[in-house]
Order: sequence, then structure tokens, then C-alpha cells
Amino acid sequence: AQRVTQPEKLLSVFKGAPVELKCNYSYSGSPELFWYVQYSRQRLQLLLRHISRESIKGFTADLNKGETSFHLKKPFAQEEDSAMYYCALRGRDDKIIFGKGTRLHILP
Amino acid sequence: GAGVSQSPSNKVTEKGKDVELRCDPISGHTALYWYRQSLGQGLEFLIYFQGNSAPDKSGLPSDRFSAERTGGSVSTLTIQRTQQEDSAVYLCASSLGQVRNTGELFFGEGSRLTVL
Repeated sequence: AQRVTQPEKLLSVFKGAPVELKCNYSYSGSPELFWYVQYSRQRLQLLLRHISRESIKGFTADLNKGETSFHLKKPFAQEEDSAMYYCALRGRDDKIIFGKGTRLHILP
Repeated sequence: GAGVSQSPSNKVTEKGKDVELRCDPISGHTALYWYRQSLGQGLEFLIYFQGNSAPDKSGLPSDRFSAERTGGSVSTLTIQRTQQEDSAVYLCASSLGQVRNTGELFFGEGSRLTVL
């Protein structure tokens, strides 16, 4: 069965400190992994996807198949990073499921 | 339209009533998803439509929930005999078809349902 686990409901980090949002998945095959973000009073939107291996707004995420993880990282947090972050998985059938989300709160 | 459109944006109903939530996807997007967003539960997958294929209904929580997609475009999520635990934000998202699917979902602003 497909499953996405985000163990932290809330993560508080001081501005300028490193950020790591954890995501683990369960899937028998090669999934596609994504991070979506929802800023206050905005729509949920794509932040980045593992196949692009890109850095968006300073965030990166590496797919670790051995540990079945796709943690989101940023070396220096900024106040505008405060938002709700969701890890997502797309399987062969194109169904996309999400984790329960982590609220990131950047402290001044 | 420019983006995914959902209506109503807010709906307050009494327990036991039926509600219909509407989603207009981005023109040309053949894939359409419904999710339920609630505190503590994150984004729960409800149902997925892809072109003319049979929908994946595996996430619908009970037989009180159903969804249709007419003409491969507009979708309606219906909740019959609403219960208080149905209170949540219902999100619709669309994406390109399987051939050109980058996996990116484009979300609507959601329909906030409150069951009294």
C-alpha cells in the first residue's frame, strides 16, 4: 500500500538556522516524490519534485531509496518560509497521495 | 479559466442534509482529483478521474460520498446525509493527462464545509 509519513506536525526554527522537514514513504516500486507548500491564504502549490533535482527558494530534497525518505532541506531559514508543507507520492496508477503535513514556523 | 475553480467557497449545512461541491478544472487537464483537508488529518485522497477511465474511488470514506465528472471536465462531489465529521475543506486539483503528465497538481481554493 502507498503511504507517506511526515512525523512532525509542527517545526519551529530560528531565522538563519537550517531546516529539515522529514518525509518517509512506503511503496512497492519506483514512486515519484513531490513537496507541496501552502502559504497563508494561498492555494496549495508545487514546491519541487525529485525527478527535477532542482533547488527552489533555496530548498532541496534528495530521494533516498534505501531509507525510503525524501526529506526537504534548506541551509538558512527565512521568515517567508513559514507555511504548511506536504510531501506527496505518485504511483504507477497516477494516484497522488499526501502526508499529513508539517507546519513550519520561522522564529525571528 | 486561468486556474481551478471551486464553488461554493463556503457552505454551512445542517446535519442530515445533502451537499454538492463543484470543481471546474483547468481547460485541457484530463486528470482531476478530490482531497479532504482537515486539522490533524492532512490531505486525504478521496477520488481520482483520468480521462474516460473508470475513476479510482478508493479514498471515499463511506457510501454517502460520491463524485461525477461530466464530459471530462466539470466534477461534482456529493455528500449525502452529512455528519459533523464531514466538516472540512474539500480541495479539487487537476493535472495534464498521463502522456504529458509532469505530476504537478494545480489546486483550487477549496470549499469549506461546516456541518452543524
